[in-house]
Amino acid sequence: EAGVTQFPSHSVIEKGQTVTLRCDPISGHDNLYWYRRVMGKEIKFLLHFVKESKQDESGMPNNRFLAERTGGTYSTLKVQPAELEDSGVYFCASSIRLTTYNEQFFGPGTRLTVL
Amino acid sequence: KNQVEQSPQSLIILEGKNCTLQCNYTVSPFSNLRWYKQDTGRGPVSLTIMTFSENTKSNGRYTATLDADTKQSSLHITASQLSDSASYICVVSPTAGGTSYGKLTFGQGTILTVHP
Repeated sequence: EAGVTQFPSHSVIEKGQTVTLRCDPISGHDNLYWYRRVMGKEIKFLLHFVKESKQDESGMPNNRFLAERTGGTYSTLKVQPAELEDSGVYFCASSIRLTTYNEQFFGPGTRLTVL
Repeated sequence: KNQVEQSPQSLIILEGKNCTLQCNYTVSPFSNLRWYKQDTGRGPVSLTIMTFSENTKSNGRYTATLDADTKQSSLHITASQLSDSASYICVVSPTAGGTSYGKLTFGQGTILTVHP
């Protein structure tokens, strides 16, 4: 069974440009999460989809970030326009359902560098 | 102040030795506490998940303990191997209304280096 995949693995862009990150969850996983780790800090929650609906987007830093999950399969996270402080590693995770254990499986991350 | 604090920040040990990593949390109420291992360039991988009613759980050479009264957890690694070199992250899942939601709260991690 394929795990969570993310594309691209690395992205280097200039301040003001737009970048779109993609996440393909494990097949059959209704729950999809985005997290971010900026340098020197802990991984932080961005948002949570249940199928195509946003369950919780309390971690989204500002309106320059737009996440979508059309059709309830893969998800995209767009940053427009990118700022220097957006640099970091963006992780996607998925889980089958919300239970007490709710095991989340993480992708390898996309390393974003904004110059 | 982060709701999940880990210590030490980094640790170097010799292959074959044991070590213990610590985690203190303030997230409350919480549904479960997890320990993840993250290799360089990869996403976190779950080692153990414990609910508040469990006080120990093992996964091979990894043993996690939880004291919900003092809000402390530890991860003990036995007979370390070179492949254990990684970041170990303590993660707490909050709960609301008895339902565990997906939002996880992460510690900064302990970077473990195992030398031959």
